[in-house]
Amino acid sequence: DGGITQSPKYLFRKEGQNVTLSCEQNLNHDAMYWYRQDPGQGLRLIYYSQIVNDFQKGDIAEGYSVSREKKESFPLTVTSAQKNPTAFYLCASSIAGGLDTQYFGPGTRLTVL
Amino acid sequence: AQKITQTQPGMFVQEKEAVTLDCTYDTSDPSYGLFWYKQPSSGEMIFLIYQGSYDQQNATEGRYSLNFQKARKSANLVISASQLGDSAMYFCAMRGSLSGGYNKLIFGAGTRLAVHP
Repeated sequence: DGGITQSPKYLFRKEGQNVTLSCEQNLNHDAMYWYRQDPGQGLRLIYYSQIVNDFQKGDIAEGYSVSREKKESFPLTVTSAQKNPTAFYLCASSIAGGLDTQYFGPGTRLTVL
Repeated sequence: AQKITQTQPGMFVQEKEAVTLDCTYDTSDPSYGLFWYKQPSSGEMIFLIYQGSYDQQNATEGRYSLNFQKARKSANLVISASQLGDSAMYFCAMRGSLSGGYNKLIFGAGTRLAVHP
């Protein structure tokens, strides 16, 4: 089945540690996105990528980093510089970056202890 | 600035009845798109329905329809014949512009729908 997978579903981290969230898609989509969701709020864009080896900052990129070495994969690293990393993280993809609908993965819930 | 407003934090509906979830938007772009997503307790965002700003007719997808009133800048979601499985958070979103013509989604704060038997 085609879709977007994110792992792990739940992640716990100690303060000061970097952690990487996985996002993989087999939809052959060119564009991929990372969003952050805080309780009671909508989603905010962290980073996006339109093609391999290219990515751009979204609205709240500080304290995060990404890579896009393969079309299928767009991992997100939450660094120790992110001041309030506890949140729900959602990865999305679309056929291209223009007018296409974005489809989402199941999300990763990150908790900093 | 582009913005989505959902003024109903929570809504209740009886099973098998219809419910309308409100969404208003603000944009100066002549071309835009409006989306509705469902987020059940599991967390995944499920795409429901899309309306383009130049579409002449309101979008429909099964039990979901979008009441698009361009002059009023509203894009309300109508769910007909509610089912218990419709209980979830519902988000209205608008396609916003990024550099290079690419798009991001701008989300409202969401409406929590509870369907009662």
